[in-house]
Amino acid sequence: ETVLTQSPATLSLSPGERATLSCRASQSLTKFLAWYQQRPGQAPRLLIYETSNRATGVPARFSGSGSGTDFTLTISSLEPEDFAVYYCQHRDNWLSFGGGTRLEIK
Amino acid sequence: QVHLVESGGDLVKPGGSLRLSCAASGFDISDTYMAWIRQRPGKGLEWVAYISGIESVTFYADSVEGRFTISRDNAKNSLYLHMTSLRAEDTAVYFCAREDTDGYFEKGYLYLHSYKGLDVWGQGTTVIVSS
Repeated sequence: ETVLTQSPATLSLSPGERATLSCRASQSLTKFLAWYQQRPGQAPRLLIYETSNRATGVPARFSGSGSGTDFTLTISSLEPEDFAVYYCQHRDNWLSFGGGTRLEIK
Repeated sequence: QVHLVESGGDLVKPGGSLRLSCAASGFDISDTYMAWIRQRPGKGLEWVAYISGIESVTFYADSVEGRFTISRDNAKNSLYLHMTSLRAEDTAVYFCAREDTDGYFEKGYLYLHSYKGLDVWGQGTTVIVSS
């Protein structure tokens, strides 16, 4: 079973800054990794699929990269609505989620 | 417009049973991968179960294997999660989600061609297991 570890658990930044969120796997993964954003009281929203592809309607400031055991979600310039919790997720025979990174306003 | 609406969440005693429903609109679930994901209070996302497209192969997380059953009614375009032997640790918000998956099963294992993620989510339904 794949274990996904996200870091940091909490990231404190200001609007306009660049955010880099990490997702590390317990074993080498395929490209079938996705990222989700969850705002308080809402369902998660798909941001990135297959490591680096933006989902429909996702702003270009969101980008994904990585391979093997290390994957990254980057938000190039934070907007106020970006402060939320972010989850990585891998798909093989099962689905695995990381524990999440809370992005908070500094 | 593509939409998922869950229902059926309730307060239930330990050892009890419950069936969650997820009504889909705007797409046909009969040939679509569908999943249940839960979120315990204040915690992260946890995959619970999925059902594949046309083959209707099902898989479960270890934490619910043997207690939960995922199914669908194509005529009603609805997904279900039948939960039995409920425990306090099953207390959570349960989300259903559409999964854009393309692959094939061989000897019980899924081999993916592509994976475009859990692209449609319901708003969630709350299950509380408490005496």
